Amino acid sequence: GAVVSQHPSRVICKSGTSVKIECRSLDFQATTMFWYRQFPKKSLMLMATSNEGSKATYEQGVEKDKFLINHASLTLSTLTVTSAHPEDSSFYICSAAGGAEISYNEQFFGPGTRLTVL
Amino acid sequence: DAKTTQPNSMESNEEEPVHLPCNHSTISGTDYIHWYRQLPSQGPEYVIHGLTSNVNNRMASLAIAEDRKSSTLILHRATLRDAAVYYCILRLSGYALNFGKGTSLLVTP
Repeated sequence: GAVVSQHPSRVICKSGTSVKIECRSLDFQATTMFWYRQFPKKSLMLMATSNEGSKATYEQGVEKDKFLINHASLTLSTLTVTSAHPEDSSFYICSAAGGAEISYNEQFFGPGTRLTVL
Repeated sequence: DAKTTQPNSMESNEEEPVHLPCNHSTISGTDYIHWYRQLPSQGPEYVIHGLTSNVNNRMASLAIAEDRKSSTLILHRATLRDAAVYYCILRLSGYALNFGKGTSLLVTP
């Protein structure tokens, strides 16, 4: 199956700093990438949908100025958590879909990034 | 979005079949039925999807009721590596997945 990577796998930062998380589709071109957040013992919550070359669409309640998403190419999307606070500590997961090489019905998920804000 | 209802947890013995149920009584005609699973501290993994007909792949089978208001994911021989949270999700083609609480499957030796 298609592979999606995320970097870093885990990050610890001080409150007030910004953290960038990368999501890459390694062997296919993803027209759409999705960003999810998951708190402990909870399900995944969709944060935003990102299409290559256009602005991301954010879900209700997700601050676009706090969670900056850039999808500059068909293989890379980045999520930047700006001025992170302890309540932003979570497991951030991206997924990729679309492109000519894969079925648009299937999403491929990255391994996730564990963010801890002190 | 049409909602799905799954049992919170299920338990199975290793090497036995597992039937994971999902109710989706408000499903629309264009909703695909997707199943994903998530192992601890990992991203979700695609399992199977279908629209109207039953589906089989190397991982599992998906049985869809004739009225499409329910479906069942079938793992033919559960292994310890199948212990995960299984999510049943309705999705329009090309749109994001909205995860519910899923079913936590425990597999015992």
